[in-house]
Amino acid sequence: EAQVTQNPRYLITVTGKKLTVTCSQNMNHEYMSWYRQDPGLGLRQIYYSMNVEVTDKGDVPEGYKVSRKEKRNFPLILESPSPNQTSLYFCASSFRGVALDNEQFFGPGTRLTVL
Amino acid sequence: KQEVTQIPAALSVPEGENLVLNCSFTDSAIYNLQWFRQDPGKGLTSLLLIQSSQREQTSGRLNASLDKSSGRSTLYIAASQPGDSATYLCAVKGIGNEKLTFGTGTRLTIIP
Repeated sequence: EAQVTQNPRYLITVTGKKLTVTCSQNMNHEYMSWYRQDPGLGLRQIYYSMNVEVTDKGDVPEGYKVSRKEKRNFPLILESPSPNQTSLYFCASSFRGVALDNEQFFGPGTRLTVL
Repeated sequence: KQEVTQIPAALSVPEGENLVLNCSFTDSAIYNLQWFRQDPGKGLTSLLLIQSSQREQTSGRLNASLDKSSGRSTLYIAASQPGDSATYLCAVKGIGNEKLTFGTGTRLTIIP
């Protein structure tokens, strides 16, 4: 089954304790992205990757890191989480460019609470 | 900078009625537009994708239209059912960084 998976689905942590949220897709997509969703603000892009070893900042990258060592994986790293990073996080992937099948697929979300 | 607006923010309609959700965007330079459904606290389910060269797409009781020149899209839901209650999000995919820019959604409630 074609899908984007994220782990963990729920996480409660404390300020300053490093954490990683994993994202994996099995559709051979070049493009992967992380979004956060907050009430009243909608979904905003954190980081994206056009392909292996190619990453760039989105609209709200502060406090986050990413890496793309393999095509299928795109982990989101919070080196020193703070309470303002409490949010619902989504990973997404798609093919690039103008293609008939470049629909963007989303993972199930990770609900993060930073105390 | 692309901005996507969805009005109204919330909508309640009786079961069985047809309804239209609206989405507008400021920059017409897009690859495509996608409509999603989101249930409370859940992930996003893709409903329809319209390429920039297309005018509409249909899936079952759903029909989405795109007028790129005026920066508008509509999602038409026929014969609404209580199970259609959810938040509906539209998102446009930009040329260049492939980013999806989302509207803040319309929360739809179908009244039995």
